[in-house]
Amino acid sequence: DVKVTQSSRYLVKRTGEKVFLECVQDMDHENMFWYRQDPGLGLRLIYFSYDVKMKEKGDIPEGYSVSREKKERFSLILESASTNQTSMYLCASSLSKVSYEQYFGPGTRLTVT
Amino acid sequence: DAKTTQPPSMDCAEGRAANLPCNHSTISGNEYVYWYRQIHSQGPQYIIHGLKNNETNEMASLIITEDRKSSTLILPHATLRDTAVYYCIVRANNAGNMLTFGGGTRLMVKP
Repeated sequence: DVKVTQSSRYLVKRTGEKVFLECVQDMDHENMFWYRQDPGLGLRLIYFSYDVKMKEKGDIPEGYSVSREKKERFSLILESASTNQTSMYLCASSLSKVSYEQYFGPGTRLTVT
Repeated sequence: DAKTTQPPSMDCAEGRAANLPCNHSTISGNEYVYWYRQIHSQGPQYIIHGLKNNETNEMASLIITEDRKSSTLILPHATLRDTAVYYCIVRANNAGNMLTFGGGTRLMVKP
């Protein structure tokens, strides 16, 4: 079974802190994604990556950056956390660009106070 | 990606079939219909997808109308563990593998 793991299920940070959310997949997938999920807004794509050291902006990249130094790991970085970044963050991976299935991690619920 | 319309919520009795509709009247010829679900406190999970033929797997069946403007996801014998939000997504396979999730249908399976 494909496994996508996220470093924390719950995280509380203060405004202005730098926040790292880590995601690891164990199936040698090429593609990795970061989404955030908010009530009434569904899932929105923040960033994605098709290969190591490659990244593409999604629909809402502002205030975020990403890093993919190894194929299995995709990190989401909040350079200076703000209260409007309080959300559920979901990582996903897929085998290739034409894969029909994305595998999601359990999510990290981030609260910025 | 074509826009989809789903009812916000539905109820189903345990053991009965759950039929979840989705309208996608602007679907293009190269766009597939995907279904995912999200159980509370978990990430979304892929269920099934199809282009124009009906599809069945161990989780569900997907019925796509002949004009492809709507589809129905069928859970043949719903259990309490099927309580979740179900998302219908329309996407071309060359769309870079990105998914656009709408509001979905919140299915409540009741004993």
